[in-house]
Amino acid sequence: AQSVTQLGSHVSVSEGALVLLRCNYSSSVPPYLFWYVQYPNQGLQLLLKYTSAATLVKGINGFEAEFKKSETSFHLTKPSAHMSDAAEYFCAVSDGGGSNYKLTFGKGTLLTVNP
Amino acid sequence: DTGVSQDPRHKITKRGQNVTFRCDPISEHNRLYWYRQTLGQGPEFLTYFQNEAQLEKSRLLSDRFSAERPKGSFSTLEIQRTEQGDSAMYLCASSLAEYQPQHFGDGTRLSIL
Repeated sequence: AQSVTQLGSHVSVSEGALVLLRCNYSSSVPPYLFWYVQYPNQGLQLLLKYTSAATLVKGINGFEAEFKKSETSFHLTKPSAHMSDAAEYFCAVSDGGGSNYKLTFGKGTLLTVNP
Repeated sequence: DTGVSQDPRHKITKRGQNVTFRCDPISEHNRLYWYRQTLGQGPEFLTYFQNEAQLEKSRLLSDRFSAERPKGSFSTLEIQRTEQGDSAMYLCASSLAEYQPQHFGDGTRLSIL
């Protein structure tokens, strides 16, 4: 069974600073990996996905993530934080090996951006 | 693309009552998923449909829960004899095909008094 660990339930950065949100996964087969963002009282919006193509994945709103198989990691970064980035971020994995494609999520990281 | 629509957005009910939620997926998406999200946690998978067939159910889905997707279009999730522990956000997602990203609705927040 796959699992996801997000290190740091809360990350606080200053506006303009680098954003780094950590995600490590466990999967018995080559994984499909995703980052989603959730604003208060809303559903999840897909930021980016890794599906075994390029290891550096670019997403929306200036975010990107790098798949590192040796470290079983898929950390999310953004060079310069904006106030509008304040939200909760979820890393998710699907084993991609079956037809059901259900997602297993981490517990989330709340990003706070200080002016 | 009107997105995934869920109704109602909020539901407050007394313990022991039955509730039903509706999800309308993106029109051409044949896969539909239900997840539950409690405070401070990530979403947890409940069940999955491919067209009208319910292909997988999580152990989280007790016998008080039932989901349907008649005609492979909208889906309903019913909870019978609600309990305090059922208080959560219920999220619906849909996808076009296998390995395609899941698109989420804004969820239904259930509060049990």
